[in-house]
Amino acid sequence: GAVVSQHPSRVICKSGTSVKIECRSLDFQATTMFWYRQFPKKSLMLMATSNEGSKATYEQGVEKDKFLINHASLTLSTLTVTSAHPEDSSFYICSAQRTGTGELFFGEGSRLTVL
Amino acid sequence: GDSVTQMEGPVTLSEEAFLTINCTYTATGYPSLFWYVQYPGEGLQLLLKATKADDKGSNKGFEATYRKETTSFHLEKGSVQVSDSAVYFCALRLPGNQFYFGTGTSLTVIP
Repeated sequence: GAVVSQHPSRVICKSGTSVKIECRSLDFQATTMFWYRQFPKKSLMLMATSNEGSKATYEQGVEKDKFLINHASLTLSTLTVTSAHPEDSSFYICSAQRTGTGELFFGEGSRLTVL
Repeated sequence: GDSVTQMEGPVTLSEEAFLTINCTYTATGYPSLFWYVQYPGEGLQLLLKATKADDKGSNKGFEATYRKETTSFHLEKGSVQVSDSAVYFCALRLPGNQFYFGTGTSLTVIP
């Protein structure tokens, strides 16, 4: 099946630094990618919808200046957590929608820990 | 707003027991409904889906029927196995392709 790769899978950073998480569709093109945040024992929360070549659409309550999303190609979207703080520690998951079929595939997630 | 309410876990069953995980939704339009499964240490995988009312999704012995009248999409399996131990997420997809997920239900099947 189609593969979506996230990198890094785990990252630990100091408070105030910025962290970039990559989401790649390895064997298909994805015009649209989605970023989610998963809290412990809670559901995945949709953060933003990322369309290739255009600005991301953020869900209500998500700070777009805090969570920068770039979708520069049909196979890559990045999420940058700027000036990270401990409350940003979470599990971030991306999904990529295959162009044409609309099938959705999820990455394995990236666990961010901010000290 | 659009949302999914899912039965809270964790759920522990003996092998070959019957499984039901309840899921109800609220949506302004006509969503598609999904069940995703997350095995330990792995990413989310599509388990089954239904795109319109009265559709039944099925896969690997799991079934769920899209019930518009009760806004539900309950997951069932007649005889669970140890290998079914995972976290199950109910989700809806809006016409704009945004997904909204339930809180997930952890299932543990013991031999």
